[in-house]
Amino acid sequence: SQQGEEDPQALSIQEGENATMNCSYKTSINNLQWYRQNSGRGLVHLILIRSNEREKHSGRLRVTLDTSKKSSSLLITASRAADTASYFCAILQGGSEKLVFGKGMKLTVNP
Amino acid sequence: GAGVSQTPSNKVTEKGKYVELRCDPISGHTALYWYRQSLGQGPEFLIYFQGTGAADDSGLPNDRFFAVRPEGSVSTLKIQRTERGDSAVYLCASSLGGGAKNIQYFGAGTRLSVL
Repeated sequence: SQQGEEDPQALSIQEGENATMNCSYKTSINNLQWYRQNSGRGLVHLILIRSNEREKHSGRLRVTLDTSKKSSSLLITASRAADTASYFCAILQGGSEKLVFGKGMKLTVNP
Repeated sequence: GAGVSQTPSNKVTEKGKYVELRCDPISGHTALYWYRQSLGQGPEFLIYFQGTGAADDSGLPNDRFFAVRPEGSVSTLKIQRTERGDSAVYLCASSLGGGAKNIQYFGAGTRLSVL
């Protein structure tokens, strides 16, 4: 069963704007990860944040994690047309090896 | 190649047939995972191998699904008596050693269509 739930389900913005995606989950976690998927095929790992971390940066990406609210957000700054893709959050529970993904969020960046 | 390789990229079969999907993990990665992604959904876990053994097969939907990894490298996902509901993209991932620190790297997937 899928636990993570991304919000909004779809987002359309102009190039140069920032995009924020939110993820909520239901259980305790070891870490939370964000992936990108183009054209419904392979997933590309973007960033991992551990349960004892609150914020993490990687290039134009910024991820926050609030374990008390069981939520995370992914911010993409200065978006580009190439950022157009589906984005998934995935949680890893303690003692488990399997990632549990949300349904995903489709981001469209218009040039 | 440097990444996870899955073959075939597309597979069309008829209801009731048997199919095999292959995954070549990144060289040196001991952990291998299979996921299934239906249209409009996120990937769902099927099975996890550490080396040659299936450490967690809790995601396999029923006994028509089986996976092997006999030499601890290449894995094959086998589906017997395929049903139309099996149509999905089957994704394989590998990681260096499993565990929370290890990132899972995904292949491009096999799109299975059962007619």
